Amino acid sequence: AQSVAQPEDQVNVAEGNPLTVKCTYSVSGNPYLFWYVQYPNRGLQFLLKYITGDNLVKGSYGFEAEFNKSQTSFHLKKPSALVSDSALYFCAVRDSDLGGYQKVTFGTGTKLQVIP
Amino acid sequence: DTGVSQDPRHKITKRGQNVTFRCDPISEHNRLYWYRQTLGQGPEFLTYFQNEAQLEKSRLLSDRFSAERPKGSFSTLEIQRTEQGDSAMYLCASSPGERSNTEAFFGQGTRLTVV
Repeated sequence: AQSVAQPEDQVNVAEGNPLTVKCTYSVSGNPYLFWYVQYPNRGLQFLLKYITGDNLVKGSYGFEAEFNKSQTSFHLKKPSALVSDSALYFCAVRDSDLGGYQKVTFGTGTKLQVIP
Repeated sequence: DTGVSQDPRHKITKRGQNVTFRCDPISEHNRLYWYRQTLGQGPEFLTYFQNEAQLEKSRLLSDRFSAERPKGSFSTLEIQRTEQGDSAMYLCASSPGERSNTEAFFGQGTRLTVV
């Protein structure tokens, strides 16, 4: 079975400060990891993904995430937060080693509030 | 706009009525997914199509739920005899190709309220 944990329901950060949104995962094989962002009353927008290779992944809007296999984590980061980054962020995982179709499992989401 | 389109955006229905939602995926995306999202939760997988074939269904998809994707293009999700517990945002997503490492592109969702 695969699962994702986002331990923080909400993260508050001052504008201009670095931000981190935490994600840990559990899969039996190797993970494909994704971050999505959701603005109010909107669908999810893809930010970035880790498939293989470099542990530091860069994505849209200046976001990046670091894959850490030993800690089974995939934390989302940005060096300098903007008020417009305030939204709901979802981490997701798919086990790459299982045959056939394997659905993506999403975390419960972390609300990011950037304070002006 | 070439994104995933869902219709309607909002639906209010009385308990016991049937509802149908439509999803138009990004052109040439052969994979299509339906998810359900309730307040405070992440999206929960409901079902998956590759072209016109429905290849996976979640246990969440009771016998009151049915999804189709005729001709491998748009998809419909029907809920029969709606219950208050069906109130949620229903999200459709699509992705291209055969590889499982591609990201999905989501529509804006259909918010269902059962009263």
